[in-house]
Amino acid sequence: GAVVSQHPSWVICKSGTSVKIECRSLDFQATTMFWYRQFPKQSLMLMATSNEGSKATYEQGVEKDKFLINHASLTLSTLTVTSAHPEDSSFYICSARTSVWSTGELFFGEGSRLTVL
Amino acid sequence: DAKTTQPPSMDCAEGRAANLPCNHSTISGNEYVYWYRQIHSQGPQYIIHGLKNNETNEMASLIITEDRKSSTLILPHATLRDTAVYYCIVSGSARQLTFGSGTQLTVLP
Repeated sequence: GAVVSQHPSWVICKSGTSVKIECRSLDFQATTMFWYRQFPKQSLMLMATSNEGSKATYEQGVEKDKFLINHASLTLSTLTVTSAHPEDSSFYICSARTSVWSTGELFFGEGSRLTVL
Repeated sequence: DAKTTQPPSMDCAEGRAANLPCNHSTISGNEYVYWYRQIHSQGPQYIIHGLKNNETNEMASLIITEDRKSSTLILPHATLRDTAVYYCIVSGSARQLTFGSGTQLTVLP
């Protein structure tokens, strides 16, 4: 099946620093990728929709200036957590769609665990 | 997207069939039923999806009632590696999926 890869799989950083997470579609082109966040013992929450070549669309309550998303190519989207604080510690997951048809399945990356000290 | 209701947890004996129910009584005609699962500390894994006909693949079977208000995911021979949180999602488009709380399936040896 289609593969979506994230890097890094885990990262620990100091409070106030910025962290970049990459999401790559390895064997297909993805015009749209999605970024989710998952806190412990909770479900996935959609943060934003990343569109290649245009600005990302953020869900209500997600700060676009804090979570910078760049989708510069059809195989790469990046999420940068700026000035990270301990409350940003979470599991960040990206997904991408393979099919041009709207009912195609979504494939998810392995996730990136961020711990802010 | 229509809301779904799933039991919070279920147990299943290894080697037996696991039947996971999902209610989606407000589903509309153009919405599909998707099933994903998430093993601890991993990204969700696609299992199966369908519109109104029953579907089967190498992982599972999806049974959708005739009125489409509920469905059942069937893992025919559960193994310990099937222990995970299973999410039933209803959506008119896989462009964007909204995850509920899912069902924690525990396969017991």
